Order: sequence, then C-alpha cells, then structure tokens
Amino acid sequence: GQQVMQIPQYQHVQEGEDFTTYCNSSTTLSNIQWYKQRPGGHPVFLIQLVKSGEVKKQKRLTFQFGEAKKNSSLHITATQTTDVGTYFCAGPGGSQGNLIFGKGTKLSVKP
Amino acid sequence: DAGVTQSPTHLIKTRGQQVTLRCSPKSGHDTVSWYQQALGQGPQFIFQYYEEEERQRGNFPDRFSGHQFPNYSSELNVNALLLGDSALYLCASSWGQREAFFGQGTRLTVV
Repeated sequence: GQQVMQIPQYQHVQEGEDFTTYCNSSTTLSNIQWYKQRPGGHPVFLIQLVKSGEVKKQKRLTFQFGEAKKNSSLHITATQTTDVGTYFCAGPGGSQGNLIFGKGTKLSVKP
Repeated sequence: DAGVTQSPTHLIKTRGQQVTLRCSPKSGHDTVSWYQQALGQGPQFIFQYYEEEERQRGNFPDRFSGHQFPNYSSELNVNALLLGDSALYLCASSWGQREAFFGQGTRLTVV
C-alpha cells in the first residue's frame, strides 16, 4: 500500500542552526500537507502544497514540493526553542481526504 | 469559533472492556476522521465519516466502529480492548480535501 517516509527520525540542533526534514512517498501525490505536533499536543496544520515544484515560505519555514510530486521538504532557518516538536508530512490516502502520515521528525533545540 | 473538541481527554480501561470516544468537529466542517497515534509514531487512519456514513476505512479490525450524528459530531467505539489499543486517539475534521483540524486527542490506556 501507499507509504510516506520521513528522514531523519530525530534531529538535535543548537539554537540558531538550520534544520531540514525530508518526506518521500511511494506514489505520486495530489498534494502534501505538513503538521507540527508539540510535545504532549496534537498535530497542527502548517501548510498544503499542491503544484509540482511549489515552494512556500512562512517566516523562517520553507516548504518545497518535488517536481515529480513524490517528495517534499521542510527547512527551518535559524531554529528557535519554540520550534521544538515533531514535524509530520502527510499525503492523501484516497479520494476522500484521509491522510497517510509519515513517522515524523522529532526536533529538539538546545538553547 | 470552537475548534475540534474531544472527550474525554484521558481514559483508563481494562482489557476486554469497551470504550466510546466522542468528537465535535470544527464549525462548518462536515467530515470527521479518526486516527490512532501510538507513542513515537505518526497518526494512523482508522476511518472517516461523511453524511453519517463510513466513507473510508483504514487497516483496523472490526472491533473499531464509529458513528456520525446529524450535527456532524462523531463517536469512536472500540470493543474487546487489547493492551495494544493503548494510544492517543485523534479526531480530525475537514471540509472536503482541505486541511484537517485535529482535536487535542483522547489518551487511552488499557491495563
């Protein structure tokens, strides 16, 4: 079945360093969504990418959708302690909108 | 405007028991999806309800069942609980294939 894979599983950075997480799908995606889950919290929607090669920015976060619409990345510039959490990518699992999540990348930031 | 609300927030049950979890979707959303999130994993899709019918189902046994009411709220029922059912159960509401808004989840512990 369809799989969404994320690497790395964990990333420890010093505050101010950059961070990138990568997402790969076994199938072509119509769109990809990114979520952030703080420790003890629930997934919170960050962004949806739809177009091949699309790049979107939210302040220090840059999201990219691959040309083949099978991979995506999230890059955080100059991490802050508020960036701590697990970042998930998710692709549609069917035509009705259910999501297939990757296992996430857990980011820790040392002050 | 209330977001997605779930109840209860925490629950402890004994093996073999049955449990019912509840979810009220975000205002204006007509689709409710349920996910199971084991510790350290991404959310796994259980099923989705739309217009009071189960529209799509993930790879979960028949012990997991649900319902959607005319006001779009939803219930997740799990029968014959197993230790492995211990997880965070997340409800997500959406409108079509737009972004999913997650509730804070119900932490179920089976002992």
